[in-house]
Amino acid sequence: SAVISQKPSRDICQRGTSLTIQCQVDSQVTMMFWYRQQPGQSLTLIATANQGSEATYESGFVIDKFPISRPNLTFSTLTVSNMSPEDSSIYLCSVGGQGAEKLFFGSGTQLSVL
Amino acid sequence: GENVEQHPSTLSVQEGDSAVIKCTYSDSASNYFPWYKQELGKGPQLIIDIRSNVGEKKDQRIAVTLNKTAKHFSLHITETQPEDSAVYFCAASTGNNDMRFGAGTRLTVKP
Repeated sequence: SAVISQKPSRDICQRGTSLTIQCQVDSQVTMMFWYRQQPGQSLTLIATANQGSEATYESGFVIDKFPISRPNLTFSTLTVSNMSPEDSSIYLCSVGGQGAEKLFFGSGTQLSVL
Repeated sequence: GENVEQHPSTLSVQEGDSAVIKCTYSDSASNYFPWYKQELGKGPQLIIDIRSNVGEKKDQRIAVTLNKTAKHFSLHITETQPEDSAVYFCAASTGNNDMRFGAGTRLTVKP
């Protein structure tokens, strides 16, 4: 299994600001994903972070709101832009094998927006 | 798309008893079914998984069963311990980057 380091672990932000979350993996991985987990809820896929190309977003998520970078096979960032209280969630970085099976998750970023 | 339903949403058992969590899925093409355990303040951790060509898989105190005909699968934890207390998620995938998670079950094991 991969070791996934995610930063920051938590943050409290003001409405209208942006936060960038970093995800570092200890080995090269093909598939990297970003998930959102709203309070007491399940995991919802935001997007697949593609190395060297634009991320692939799920329905309901757009690049302007959640820009993603993936400059290499071990690192990715997710930015939550122009935040509102509704963005308060846990954001999770995940890596997986072919077909996005056997997903491994970072410890998450607990975001609170005031 | 795939829809995964999970029951119960909360489960409380006495230490030493067994716990069973059940999930159903809608897409008959789904062929991979993992279970994750999430402790407070941590990310989900893969604890066991099963593929559609297998009916049951066991790893020490945990086991997963799959009924493809009925499109449901279950997690069984025997001899529960307080450290088993966590939120458990089931998931289903066809292997095409389409993993879908259940709503989660909060398991409490009372000492």
